[in-house]
Amino acid sequence: AQSVSQHNHHVILSEAASLELGCNYSYGGTVNLFWYVQYPGQHLQLLLKYFSGDPLVKGIKGFEAEFIKSKFSFNLRKPSVQWSDTAEYFCAVTGSSNTGKLIFGQGTTLQVKP
Amino acid sequence: GAVVSQHPSWVICKSGTSVKIECRSLDFQATTMFWYRQFPKQSLMLMATSNEGSKATYEQGVEKDKFLINHASLTLSTLTVTSAHPEDSSFYICSARDIGDGYTFGSGTRLTVV
Repeated sequence: AQSVSQHNHHVILSEAASLELGCNYSYGGTVNLFWYVQYPGQHLQLLLKYFSGDPLVKGIKGFEAEFIKSKFSFNLRKPSVQWSDTAEYFCAVTGSSNTGKLIFGQGTTLQVKP
Repeated sequence: GAVVSQHPSWVICKSGTSVKIECRSLDFQATTMFWYRQFPKQSLMLMATSNEGSKATYEQGVEKDKFLINHASLTLSTLTVTSAHPEDSSFYICSARDIGDGYTFGSGTRLTVV
């Protein structure tokens, strides 16, 4: 069965620090990969997605992610975080043969200290 | 962009009663919608896939008789929690596949069963 694993459950950074959140997936076919952010009290928002093409994907708010097929990974990065980036981050995957079900990782809580 | 409207945003009900949650795609047609459940500080767990005009597909372990899903039109899916009990208290989120193979999420419904 397909699954998504996020290794960092709780990350605390100071403003201007660089961020990298790990995401590994388990799926046997072609995958589409997503990163979502959930700010406190708000609904999920799409940060970026990868379907095909350039494995380095740029998203909103300065985030980017790199798809490394050989490592089954899709790590999220940001060179310099801001206090406003404090939120919950979810990696998700769907495959070409699973009727479009979007499966989420456990989530990573990011706390940015001003 | 695509918008999914979910109502109510919160509801408190007595144990043994039923609660209906609505999920509407406002500016696009959604043949497929998904229902998730999110516990505090945890990830989104897929409950079921709602298909317009046909029966929903439930994930393993989800009681289909307790969580009734109806997708009668291309813009509306409903989740009814029947005979609710305190353990059903949770945050329920719907999503729909939008144009461009993305997913748009509703703002969620906080259900509290007392």
